[in-house]
Amino acid sequence: GAGVSQSPSNKVTEKGKDVELRCDPISGHTALYWYRQSLGQGLEFLIYFQGNSAPDKSGLPSDRFSAERTGGSVSTLTIQRTQQEDSAVYLCASTRGGGSLGNSPLHFGNGTRLTVT
Amino acid sequence: AQKITQTQPGMFVQEKEAVTLDCTYDTSDQSYGLFWYKQPSSGEMIFLIYQGSYDEQNATEGRYSLNFQKARKSANLVISASQLGDSAMYFCAMRDYNTDKLIFGTGTRLQVFP
Repeated sequence: GAGVSQSPSNKVTEKGKDVELRCDPISGHTALYWYRQSLGQGLEFLIYFQGNSAPDKSGLPSDRFSAERTGGSVSTLTIQRTQQEDSAVYLCASTRGGGSLGNSPLHFGNGTRLTVT
Repeated sequence: AQKITQTQPGMFVQEKEAVTLDCTYDTSDQSYGLFWYKQPSSGEMIFLIYQGSYDEQNATEGRYSLNFQKARKSANLVISASQLGDSAMYFCAMRDYNTDKLIFGTGTRLQVFP
């Protein structure tokens, strides 16, 4: 079946503009994660959705960042008033849900490369 | 707070040799899972292997094995018979079973030479 799909694959925006990044998880996966990866760095946790539970937003770096997940499927990560330090690859991942996720590996999308000029 | 540490920013290994990539973690939880992912230059994240905190046997998946030492809080990845295609970034990650948050280490860049 189809994997995790992210769009756009590349986004160039001017400083101060808002951007929206989209993630379509694998069908049937109820858990969805967003990560940020700066050039040559590790993955920084941003936010986690699990079913209808309140999302874990503990990794969002500032109030300019927000995310929502509509209908338990598609998720949108919004960055308002973008800054140059927001430039990074934003990765989305999904996994099956239902209680503790245990050994369920995350399936990652190919990411959105955001460049703020 | 949970933390994953990968102390080797880069490693070199000759083709067909074995290599160990280090990972240590810090958690006060008793239930957790440890994962290794590979990220080639293409950028995709590829799941390699999993070890649960209660698993008594070290996990193995083909040429990958996990040297799990719970008392030392280490979960090193061993790649046997290295291949040129193994050249990539390798990330260790830990999931807290209470929150399901998955956090990653900073990664190790492995280069395999002929």
